[in-house]
Amino acid sequence: EIVLTQSPGTLSLSPGERATLSCRASQSMSSSYLAWYQQKRGQSPRLIISGASNRATGIPDRFSGTGSGTDFTLTISRLEPDDFALYFCQQYGVSPFTFGPGTAVDIK
Amino acid sequence: EVQLVQSGADVKKPGESLRISCKASGYTFISYWITWVRQMPGKGLEWMGRIDPSDSYTDYSPSFQGHVTISVDKSITTAYLQWSSLRASDTAIYYCARMYSNGWPIDSWGQGTLVTVSS
Repeated sequence: EIVLTQSPGTLSLSPGERATLSCRASQSMSSSYLAWYQQKRGQSPRLIISGASNRATGIPDRFSGTGSGTDFTLTISRLEPDDFALYFCQQYGVSPFTFGPGTAVDIK
Repeated sequence: EVQLVQSGADVKKPGESLRISCKASGYTFISYWITWVRQMPGKGLEWMGRIDPSDSYTDYSPSFQGHVTISVDKSITTAYLQWSSLRASDTAIYYCARMYSNGWPIDSWGQGTLVTVSS
């Protein structure tokens, strides 16, 4: 089973700042199968990035994903009030399709 | 419009059985897997397993294998998650979601079903 670790657990930032979220896999994996999801309080998750770097439909370009092998990053270039939420990475290449524990981006 | 509409919240006692549902619409049901994801109170997402509605093939996470059963009824484009004997630790929100197949991400989610197990 591929174990995903996310850091930091919580990121406290102000609107307009840059957010950098990390997702590390326990073994090397194809970047084609790494996704990021956003979950706002009381809502279902939403796909924002697939294939490590491809924005989902309707996702603004301030969101970007990079990475390969075991290290992946989600960057939000300039935080807007709507971006303060939980973010989870997931690998969907090898069953079980595991999630990371999440990073909470909250308002400083 | 793709929609996954889940059954409502439920409260059960330990040892009881339960089946929750996920009604799909707006797409060809047999073309996408349905997957189930658990979120315990205040915690992260856990992938439980998935089913291919075209042939009912299932694949479970080892963490959930043997404790839950995933099934579908193609005739009514509905997927199910069921327990034969609930535990207090099953208290969580359960999401159904769809993914095109292996190698594709989850692209649509249900609204979630809160299951509370308490004596």
